[in-house]
Amino acid sequence: EAGVAQSPRYKIIEKRQSVAFWCNPISGHATLYWYQQILGQGPKLLIQFQNNGVVDDSQLPKDRFSAERLKGVDSTLKIQPAKLEDSAVYLCASSPSFDSQELFFGEGSRLTVL
Amino acid sequence: AQSVTQLDSHVSVSEGTPVLLRCNYSSSYSPSLFWYVQHPNKGLQLLLKYTSAATLVKGINGFEAEFKKSETSFHLTKPSAHMSDAAEYFCVVSPTSGTYKYIFGTGTRLKVLA
Repeated sequence: EAGVAQSPRYKIIEKRQSVAFWCNPISGHATLYWYQQILGQGPKLLIQFQNNGVVDDSQLPKDRFSAERLKGVDSTLKIQPAKLEDSAVYLCASSPSFDSQELFFGEGSRLTVL
Repeated sequence: AQSVTQLDSHVSVSEGTPVLLRCNYSSSYSPSLFWYVQHPNKGLQLLLKYTSAATLVKGINGFEAEFKKSETSFHLTKPSAHMSDAAEYFCVVSPTSGTYKYIFGTGTRLKVLA
């Protein structure tokens, strides 16, 4: 079974530029999550989707971050404009359903903002 | 409100000696608890989970954890460390039902000395 796929794995940009990350969850998984992991900290939930609807985006900085999952499968997370403090690893995770206990994580996309 | 505290940011052990990674949680209701491992440049992998069944939980690669409600602890142990155990370990708390909103600890980096 293929795991959660993320791209790009690494991205370096200047502040105020934009960047987009892509995630393809495990086939058939209805729930998709984006987490932000800053160096030295645990992952923090940014947004949770159930199929193509948003369940929780309370911690997403909506002035600069956006995410979509238009067809209920893959998802894109965008940052525009980027700030220095956005340097982090962006992790995508999926689970079979809304009340599944185990999350399956991708390898992450590491963003460096200069 | 829920929170999780990992008491050690770094732990070093010699190969073949026991491993103890400490985790304390705070939850206003019965939680689910998890341990995840993250090897360098890899995604998070579930080691084990507690979901109100047996208090001693066995996971993969010889790890186990014991849920102690009176001490609000969920420490991770392994009888004998292997070089391949060197990684970052995260303790996670979530409500038992409804939305699985994972709250991550800040992580413990385990170093295994030859």
